[in-house]
This record gives sequence, structure tokens and C-alpha cells, in this order.
Amino acid sequence: DTGVSQDPRHKITKRGQNVTFRCDPISEHNRLYWYRQTLGQGPEFLTYFQNEAQLEKSRLLSDRFSAERPKGSFSTLEIQRTEQGDSAMYLCASSLIPTGPARAYEQYFGPGTRLTVT
Amino acid sequence: AQSVTQPDIHITVSEGASLELRCNYSYGATPYLFWYVQSPGQGLQLLLKYFSGDTLVQGIKGFEAEFKRSQSSFNLRKPSVHWSDAAEYFCAVGASYIPTFGRGTSLIVHP
Repeated sequence: DTGVSQDPRHKITKRGQNVTFRCDPISEHNRLYWYRQTLGQGPEFLTYFQNEAQLEKSRLLSDRFSAERPKGSFSTLEIQRTEQGDSAMYLCASSLIPTGPARAYEQYFGPGTRLTVT
Repeated sequence: AQSVTQPDIHITVSEGASLELRCNYSYGATPYLFWYVQSPGQGLQLLLKYFSGDTLVQGIKGFEAEFKRSQSSFNLRKPSVHWSDAAEYFCAVGASYIPTFGRGTSLIVHP
């Protein structure tokens, strides 16, 4: 069981640069979620995919953020023109397509990518 | 909109002592409630969940939680804490398949 993996684990970038993160979900999982977690806070939902389709986006996902899941497998999250306020842990999770609420919430989280914008 | 309050930022207990982490929620209907644990360098792991039925829920690693509708609470308990339980604990309330997390409680375990 390989679990959810994320790459890189840490990223330091200068303000104004673009960054891209990758998430590889559990292979049979159809749903993939992105969250952001800032210091001292719980994770906040950003967006999620069902297969290739991006089904929901949070208002936290500004125009500088874009996420893709081109073949319904791995996903990328890109941040353009990074700002210091983007410094956070970016978490990815995956799940099966829910047959009901119980299954929907069985999300499996990756270890996260910690972004530091200087 | 749903929200979760975890009033304790840090909790310190001695190994072997009992533990209770507090969680209060706000939600307009019957809530789906969860507890997650996050160890350093690790992703979040689901400890237990409540959807309906028995208000006392058993989870992994010896944890349990009790749903009290009258108090809008879902407190996490463990009768005897181990040093390996030191971690960040998050309570969450669910709607539309996307959970809303509290800010977390950091558990420190003294030997």
C-alpha cells in the first residue's frame, strides 16, 4: 500500500516566483482533494477533483492558483506570482467515489508540501 | 455555515494519565463529526467518526469520542495516554463531503 505521496516535501521560493506541487493519490481513488494549512490552524479546503473533472473550488483559491488532474491520476497545484501569505503546508488527500457520507469522508492524506515564500 | 471550536491550543498530560480533548461545533442539522491526528511530518489520519446512532464512538489507537447534541460537543477521550500519542489533534464537522476543521490541539506527553 503506497498511500498518498506529495512532491516536493519542502519548497522555498522568492516572492513573485511560480511554484508547482504534485500529488499522487492512492491508485484506485477517484477523488482527489487539496487543502491549505497555515501555522496554528486546521486544514482549509481548496478544491477537489472527481477523475479529471474539477468539481468544486473554494473562494480561497485565488486567480493565482490553478489545479489540474489531466488523466485522472496525479494532480498538480500551481501558484503563480507567489506572495508571502502563500507560505503554508499544502495537503493532498484522496478517496473513493462516495456511495454515501461515510465513504465520502474516508479521505487519506499525504504528508504535505511545506511552502516558504521569502 | 458550519464551524468547529477547539478551545485548548495545548494540552499536557503525563504518560499513563487519562486524556480529554474538547471540541464544540456549530451546524444547522445533524452533524457528521470527526477526529483526526497529525504527527510531525505525517499526513492527517482519521481516528474516528460519528454519523448517527450510538453517541459513543470507538476509534483506532484506543480513542473514543462522545457526541452530546445538547452541548454541541464531540470530545475525544483516551483512558491511558502513551508517549506516542503526542501529536496535533483536529476535530472536524462535515457537510457536502468536505470537512471543516478546527484549529487543532497540540498534545504534549510527559514521561
